[in-house]
Amino acid sequence: SQKIEQNSEALNIQEGKTATLTCNYTNYSPAYLQWYRQDPGRGPVFLLLIRENEKEKRKERLKVTFDTTLKQSLFHITASQPADSATYLCALVEYGGSQGNLIFGKGTKLSVKP
Amino acid sequence: DAGVIQSPRHEVTEMGQEVTLRCKPISGHDYLFWYRQTMMRGLELLIYFNNNVPIDDSGMPEDRFSAKMPNASFSTLKIQPSEPRDSAVYFCASSLRGRSGNQPQHFGDGTRLSIL
Repeated sequence: SQKIEQNSEALNIQEGKTATLTCNYTNYSPAYLQWYRQDPGRGPVFLLLIRENEKEKRKERLKVTFDTTLKQSLFHITASQPADSATYLCALVEYGGSQGNLIFGKGTKLSVKP
Repeated sequence: DAGVIQSPRHEVTEMGQEVTLRCKPISGHDYLFWYRQTMMRGLELLIYFNNNVPIDDSGMPEDRFSAKMPNASFSTLKIQPSEPRDSAVYFCASSLRGRSGNQPQHFGDGTRLSIL
């Protein structure tokens, strides 16, 4: 069966450390993978997109990797801050999929302690 | 710029009642999506429109659910009759035209629906 799984429901780290979140997928052939941030009571906010033929993408303190052999994407936040505390969602679109077929993981709740 | 606007933010009603959720997408966006989010199932796509035309409604759970997009700046999601298991947060999102998911989706802040 097809699955998209994020490594854990919750991740607690100390301020200043690097947070690493994992997104694994099974029986999908993604063309693109996107990462979103969701704060309580708010809608998801787009952060980064990575294509199937890209290994790594960076934006300020954020870095995303995409390994199609491992069927995995890693999302890193360096020099984490309490303001980074939120739920992070990964989402993929398959090859041949239409604009609407964005399939979301359930998210990882990140807590950054001061 | 104004983002995606949803109303109401909260809705509490008794089972059997009709519920109408509203969405105003970002101006100029070609696609509009309706999602439902629950703890158990996460974020699920219900239906999406391209240029006001419904493209895929396979995620709509039952005939009790219907969605319309009469023009480029307005969409509704209706549940009639509502049931307690419909309780969830419903999100609307919009995006520009792109190829196979290479465009980000912009979400509203959702409607928290509680059916008693």
